Amino acid sequence: GDSVTQMEGPVTLSEEAFLTINCTYTATGYPSLFWYVQYPGEGLQLLLKATKADDKGSNKGFEATYRKETTSFHLEKGSVQVSDSAVYFCALSDLAGANSKLTFGKGITLSVRP
Amino acid sequence: DAGVIQSPRHEVTEMGQEVTLRCKPISGHNSLFWYRQTMMRGLELLIYFNNNVPIDDSGMPEDRFSAKMPNASFSTLKIQPSEPRDSAVYFCASSLDRGVVGTDTQYFGPGTRLTVL
Repeated sequence: GDSVTQMEGPVTLSEEAFLTINCTYTATGYPSLFWYVQYPGEGLQLLLKATKADDKGSNKGFEATYRKETTSFHLEKGSVQVSDSAVYFCALSDLAGANSKLTFGKGITLSVRP
Repeated sequence: DAGVIQSPRHEVTEMGQEVTLRCKPISGHNSLFWYRQTMMRGLELLIYFNNNVPIDDSGMPEDRFSAKMPNASFSTLKIQPSEPRDSAVYFCASSLDRGVVGTDTQYFGPGTRLTVL
């Protein structure tokens, strides 16, 4: 079945540091890939997405490129801010299934120090 | 738009009691999802509806859990009887399924934090 694997956390960085959060996936069809972010005390919200191979999703300085050859969708940001402290979830939606169900990774907590 | 609305935001109950969680999806959305989030198991999909019809309830843990969507603007998740291991944050999410599966963003509510004593 479909699955999403995220790197183990938590991750602690200093402000303005470079961020990479790894995500790899297994899917039977041609998935769309997503990054969701959950700020403390809130629900998840979409950060960015990519729907086909080589697409790059970007938002708020974050980027991720859909790499079919390595089945990866790593999240990057060049300079993190304290306000980026949150839990980040990688997810996929498999077009082989006739539904909009998302499969989420376990999430990783990012803490950014001033 | 008010976004996905969930109530209550916090619920504390005793073991054995019935708990009902409520969700109002974004107007016009035709898919609705119930998730459970715990430290141990992460984010789990419990059930989802499309056009008010349950499509996949394979994530519902056991018969104590039930969900309904009587109309396009309201859904409930009921636990009866509740147990301490049901303590978690329960999220509702909705999306507009335009027939191009896999590309529809899910919008999450703020969640209901359930504590069963």
